[in-house]
Amino acid sequence: EDQVTQSPEALRLQEGESSSLNCSYTVSGLRGLFWYRQDPGKGPEFLFTLYSAGEEKEKERLKATLTKKESFLHITAPKPEDSATYLCAVDPSGGSNYKLTFGKGTLLTVNP
Amino acid sequence: ETGVTQSPTHLIKTRGQQVTLRCSSQSGHNTVSWYQQALGQGPQFIFQYYREEENGRGNFPPRFSGLQFPNYSSELNVNALELDDSALYLCASSHVTGELFFGEGSRLTVL
Repeated sequence: EDQVTQSPEALRLQEGESSSLNCSYTVSGLRGLFWYRQDPGKGPEFLFTLYSAGEEKEKERLKATLTKKESFLHITAPKPEDSATYLCAVDPSGGSNYKLTFGKGTLLTVNP
Repeated sequence: ETGVTQSPTHLIKTRGQQVTLRCSSQSGHNTVSWYQQALGQGPQFIFQYYREEENGRGNFPPRFSGLQFPNYSSELNVNALELDDSALYLCASSHVTGELFFGEGSRLTVL
């Protein structure tokens, strides 16, 4: 069974204190790994797609990396507006269109 | 370019009733997916529609059903509501093989 586990469940940082979120996955074959940001009561906002081990993508203070078993979302010098739940999802191989299996997310709080 | 819009944003139903949720996909997207997100959990895949046909279904009972219309908008119908159906229902649209873009969701409370 395809599985996505995110850690930690919650993370509290001071503004400017860099850290990383982890997403480990177990799938029969990986077609893509996705990171989303979700604010309270809102729908997930797309951040990145990673397709193969060794791939990296960056957006402002965020950088996502991928290995064969896990992905990391690195947050450099975070600001309070980075506070949100970060969701990781995978799309197992096969079939047309993405059908995502999500982890439970990491709730990030950045204090000023 | 308009994003994904969902209606209603909030609704309250009682156990045993039926509900219909609506979604307008992002301009140019021909695929719509529905997800259920319980409090404190990640979204769970319900089903997907591509060109008005169901294109994959998650582990949800038949009382969850859907439609996609020629303009690529979509409906999610849930019959015989149960308390555990209380959740945020998310619609996402995409191109074939493209990333999913989510709407703001419909918050359903079943009493």
